Amino acid sequence: EAGVVQSPRYKIIEKKQPVAFWCNPISGHNTLYWYRQNLGQGPELLIRYENEEAVDDSQLPKDRFSAERLKGVDSTLKIQPAELGDSAVYLCASSWVAAGELFFGEGSRLTVL
Amino acid sequence: DQQVKQNSPSLSVQEGRISILNCDYTNSMFDYFLWYKKYPAEGPTFLISISSIKDKNEDGRFTVFLNKSAKHLSLHIVPSQPGDSAVYFCAAGGGGTSYGKLTFGQGTILTVHP
Repeated sequence: EAGVVQSPRYKIIEKKQPVAFWCNPISGHNTLYWYRQNLGQGPELLIRYENEEAVDDSQLPKDRFSAERLKGVDSTLKIQPAELGDSAVYLCASSWVAAGELFFGEGSRLTVL
Repeated sequence: DQQVKQNSPSLSVQEGRISILNCDYTNSMFDYFLWYKKYPAEGPTFLISISSIKDKNEDGRFTVFLNKSAKHLSLHIVPSQPGDSAVYFCAAGGGGTSYGKLTFGQGTILTVHP
């Protein structure tokens, strides 16, 4: 069974540029998460989807971040415009149910110059 | 507000000895806890979990202990192996505002020396 797939693995951009990350969760997993991990810290939730509905986006900086999960499968996380402080690893995870074990992708490392 | 804390940034252990990683939490609504292991350039992978109705869960060389009154959990690895060298995160989930998401600690870097 394929795991959570994320792309790109690495992205280097200049500040004020846009960037997008893509995630394909494990087949059949209804719940999808985007986490951000800063250097030396644990992952922090940005947004959680139940199917195509964003049920928890309280930690998403909505002025510059947006996310979507079309048809309740793949998801895209976008930052526009990027700031220096957005440099981090963006992790996508999925699970069978909301309150269960999360399966993580390898992450997308963003560097904003 | 750091609801899950791992106060030891790093731990160094000799191969064959016991590794003990600690985690404290503040939110009494947490009712299940997990440990994840992370290698460089990889995503976190699930290691072991425990429900709040238990005080111990064992899986091979890995044992997690939960002390609810102290709001403390620990991961024991016995015997430690060099391949266990990684960053270990504890995570907590539960009801209320914590429903449906995991809150992670900052991580502890474990180094197991041959």
